[in-house]
Amino acid sequence: QVQLQQSGPGLVKPSQTLSLTCAISGDTVSNISATWNWIRQSPSRGLEWLGRTYYRSKWYNDYGVSVKSRITINPDTSKNQFSLQVNSVTPEDTAVYYCARSEGLVNGPFEYWGQGTLVTVSS
Amino acid sequence: QSVLTQPPSASGTPGQRVAISCSGSSSNIEINRVNWYHQLPGTAPKLLIYDNHQRPSGVPDRFSGSKSGTSASLAISGLQSEDEADYYCSTWDDSLHGVIFGGGTKLTVL
Repeated sequence: QVQLQQSGPGLVKPSQTLSLTCAISGDTVSNISATWNWIRQSPSRGLEWLGRTYYRSKWYNDYGVSVKSRITINPDTSKNQFSLQVNSVTPEDTAVYYCARSEGLVNGPFEYWGQGTLVTVSS
Repeated sequence: QSVLTQPPSASGTPGQRVAISCSGSSSNIEINRVNWYHQLPGTAPKLLIYDNHQRPSGVPDRFSGSKSGTSASLAISGLQSEDEADYYCSTWDDSLHGVIFGGGTKLTVL
């Protein structure tokens, strides 16, 4: 049974960097069948896919168009986890952030989700 | 505004059948598989239907999914009070090269 455990601060100041981590148990971040995703949810924007990292002989990343210029998703094989960084945050980045696992490269379903982290961007 | 269009709300009485639509385009639903999620307040979304019509283990057969052209639909038969939740459709968009979600439908069991 795959479990995803999120960690990171719930409050970030405007213009700073949002950083979250998703620790994986029951699977490995380098599983060649899986992709490791970040998704956020806010009342104004609904569910929004931010991007993913995955391993297929080498590491790849895909990012959503809305945050592509500000986002980095990195795997950490030594700790079996992956992380999200969003730079230059504004109050519009306030949302519940989820990590999620899927299989396959083209919309494999998100079968496993983290517990969610409410991140508020405020001074 | 979401790329996939869902009605913001739906309702039904216990035992009824309810259908929730999800409208997309030729770059997403028409050529890719559709997944459905439901979400209770304060919890993460949970996979309900995948690959247009497949049910994960543990999901009752009261839930069914279908797809035709640029639209997909989730049907719930034998409506129960515990089905009251938010429902989201999702697929891949080839033009955006990413996963997209519908805006969500809040289902109320009257």
